Amino acid sequence: DTEVTQTPKHLVMGMTNKKSLKCEQHMGHRAMYWYKQKAKKPPELMFVYSYEKLSINESVPSRFSPECPNSSLLNLHLHALQPEDSALYLCASSQAISGAPYEQYFGPGTRLTVT
Amino acid sequence: AQSVTQPDIHITVSEGASLELRCNYSYGATPYLFWYVQSPGQGLQLLLKYFSGDTLVQGIKGFEAEFKRSQSSFNLRKPSVHWSDAAEYFCAVDNRNMLTFGGGTRLMVKP
Repeated sequence: DTEVTQTPKHLVMGMTNKKSLKCEQHMGHRAMYWYKQKAKKPPELMFVYSYEKLSINESVPSRFSPECPNSSLLNLHLHALQPEDSALYLCASSQAISGAPYEQYFGPGTRLTVT
Repeated sequence: AQSVTQPDIHITVSEGASLELRCNYSYGATPYLFWYVQSPGQGLQLLLKYFSGDTLVQGIKGFEAEFKRSQSSFNLRKPSVHWSDAAEYFCAVDNRNMLTFGGGTRLMVKP
């Protein structure tokens, strides 16, 4: 099973709201990723977790707050977002972060609209 | 810095025709390369990967890609395109388990 699940599929939120995106995988992967994808663009890396610790933050604004409660779950907490944050948010996982290459498996994404 | 270039933003082919999508990379060492496909509003699905060994790699859905070091290319091919292949295709290179994506190629299929 190479499935990464994401909830919700769609989310509409106001600029003063607080919401969370959820990602789950049961492949035993120890690396998990958050990407942001705008229309007609490739995904842009936001955060990387390795063994449940934040490994990389690609200078993402603090209104995005990631959390990795355990090895299977990854959350992205959203607060005081701007309309330009509207995008498809993709979660991915891979076996590990190491010198060896591993493919990343992507979830279906959460379509976020900020009003 | 490493980079990936997909020279074609859009490609239109007729159903049943052959397909080649181009990907060029810039990377100092041996690259680890991927092709992903994305249907509208969906996540990315891995089509195939090249890590080492045989330079012609087979993937899912009848796709294959050939790694050519001399040309810094990793082009994706399919001998006969189906209407369901219409999607966005991304080439990517691995950099310490981070992916650098090309800009993508949108494939349209004419009936």
